[in-house]
Amino acid sequence: DAKTTQPNSMESNEEEPVHLPCNHSTISGTDYIHWYRQLPSQGPEYVIHGLTSNVNNRMASLAIAEDRKSSTLILHRATLRDAAVYYCILSRDTGTASKLTFGTGTRLQVTL
Amino acid sequence: DTGVSQNPRHKITKRGQNVTFRCDPISEHNRLYWYRQTLGQGPEFLTYFQNEAQLEKSRLLSDRFSAERPKGSFSTLEIQRTEQGDSAMYLCASSPRGTEQETQYFGPGTRLLVL
Repeated sequence: DAKTTQPNSMESNEEEPVHLPCNHSTISGTDYIHWYRQLPSQGPEYVIHGLTSNVNNRMASLAIAEDRKSSTLILHRATLRDAAVYYCILSRDTGTASKLTFGTGTRLQVTL
Repeated sequence: DTGVSQNPRHKITKRGQNVTFRCDPISEHNRLYWYRQTLGQGPEFLTYFQNEAQLEKSRLLSDRFSAERPKGSFSTLEIQRTEQGDSAMYLCASSPRGTEQETQYFGPGTRLLVL
């Protein structure tokens, strides 16, 4: 399975944009890029996913490099409730259901 | 839609005892997953059901672990002869059948402590 590399931790000020990077240099053509986050004492929560094009939803934006070897999750205005561990996950389209292979993620701290 | 629920939320047991956890997925979700998460690590895949069929099991799932989904609705995960290394958060997720890249919806987890 292709691996992802994320910084262990990042800090942001409230109401500032946050750019969470993810490297996936061994990504294959059929690997989707997923982002989940896990708030304290909760199960993971889906954030966004994409294949080649940039994606936007109500929670965040996903910017995918042209060569797909890296991607960035963008939170446009961080709030205290966005403090969580963010996981970047590659999920291969195999024709069957996709188990998620989590790494250790990036712990995002948001301060006032 | 009440989300994925898991019971109990917390379980403390003594080494050697058996424990059973229950997961109720979102209604009409065909797929159900079990993951395990230890402190400071991301969740690790254990097993997956499509309806009542268990289609994949991780090597992490030793013979002391068994999972069932008898009617394709709720699922149970049983650990026999628990060991201290089994202490972890056990997470359940469900997803609707569709394309392979469907979103997985996670429950709050069951935290197990083996003394």
